[in-house]
Amino acid sequence: KQEVTQIPAALSVPEGENLVLNCSFTDSAIYNLQWFRQDPGKGLTSLLLIQSSQREQTSGRLNASLDKSSGRSTLYIAASQPGDSATYLCAVTGAGGGNKLTFGTGTQLKVEL
Amino acid sequence: ETGVTQTPRHLVMGMTNKKSLKCEQHLGHNAMYWYKQSAKKPLELMFVYSLEERVENNSVPSRFSPECPNSSHLFLHLHTLQPEDSALYLCASSPAKLAGGPADTQYFGPGTRLTVL
Repeated sequence: KQEVTQIPAALSVPEGENLVLNCSFTDSAIYNLQWFRQDPGKGLTSLLLIQSSQREQTSGRLNASLDKSSGRSTLYIAASQPGDSATYLCAVTGAGGGNKLTFGTGTQLKVEL
Repeated sequence: ETGVTQTPRHLVMGMTNKKSLKCEQHLGHNAMYWYKQSAKKPLELMFVYSLEERVENNSVPSRFSPECPNSSHLFLHLHTLQPEDSALYLCASSPAKLAGGPADTQYFGPGTRLTVL
């Protein structure tokens, strides 16, 4: 059974700092990996999707990497801003497809002024 | 806004009540999902519908009953719930026509915060 772990569970950084969020998964047979953002009281917003054949994806200040063989992904946020404060969730889709996402418990990020 | 709406946003109900959660997507998608998000636990997939046919029931208790009358609407009927069912219930949709097909991005609604007394 696939298990997804995110470390740290919570993180507080000053504005402007570069930071890395970590995600690990136990079964490397994945179809893709996604990073989501969840604001308090709201649903999830997809940030980046990395196919299993890819190594990284970039969107603005966000860069996600994938090392499928070691079961790891990182989300790099450059020049953090208070608006980046949210919970970041990592989710993988198994190689069988079917769009069944297995989620981690998330990293709660707070960027302080 | 993601194009997926959920009502109500908040719901408080007793264990003997019957209520329904509603989800509507305006994206022309073919697959819809119900997830449960409990405190300190990962999101759990509950049900998947593809072209209005249920293709996944992830060992969910029968007190949760989904309904998908068309590809734009999804309901979750609730009956005799337990306090441990209190959680955020999220609906999502994706373009995929078949649950067994290629994975694609899911678009989530804002969720319904459910409290069972």
